[in-house]
Amino acid sequence: NAGVTQTPKFRVLKTGQSMTLLCAQDMNHEYMYWYRQDPGMGLRLIHYSVGEGTTAKGEVPDGYNVSRLKKQNFLLGLESAAPSQTSVYFCASTLGRTNTGELFFGEGSRLTVL
Amino acid sequence: DQQVKQNSPSLSVQEGRISILNCDYTNSMFDYFLWYKKYPAEGPTFLISISSIKDKNEDGRFTVFLNKSAKHLSLHIVPSQPGDSAVYFCAASTSSNTGKLIFGQGTTLQVKP
Repeated sequence: NAGVTQTPKFRVLKTGQSMTLLCAQDMNHEYMYWYRQDPGMGLRLIHYSVGEGTTAKGEVPDGYNVSRLKKQNFLLGLESAAPSQTSVYFCASTLGRTNTGELFFGEGSRLTVL
Repeated sequence: DQQVKQNSPSLSVQEGRISILNCDYTNSMFDYFLWYKKYPAEGPTFLISISSIKDKNEDGRFTVFLNKSAKHLSLHIVPSQPGDSAVYFCAASTSSNTGKLIFGQGTTLQVKP
């Protein structure tokens, strides 16, 4: 049981390049999330999905797009990377409206934009 | 506007003693509060949570206290162990937005042998 798996783990981009981060979960969870972590700022929600085919904006959505074509996968895309998007990205999932907020996180993807 | 704040970036305690990590929040609509623990190069892992209808929740060595009037919560670890050394994040949510957590900045705990 792998839980939440993120690929790639590390990536270096040049400004203006595009890339996609893939998140896969094998727990049959309905809800999935993308957070970013920056020094001194904790984790901030980028986008989230409450089910296959649905997506919604979080706290810091600008410059990112997402897709949830399959229940187990949640993709985060950067169309034109900027240095401000240098960060560690965490994908998370949860079963549903548990009213506890407990999320299961992946190990993170470290992105550097030069 | 930081809705959840952890004002202590770091804390160092001796093994066997109590560790107390603090968290303050500003949004009175928050009704669930969580603590996550994070080791380097790993994702955060859930530690303990508390609903706003309670003022205390215990799980083994970990206890979370909630003071709604002061908009303050704290995590107590007793006794502290070297394996507890990690970054601890406080987070808050409203029941209508499950999973949309607002995180504090984190506190790095070091437990010395």
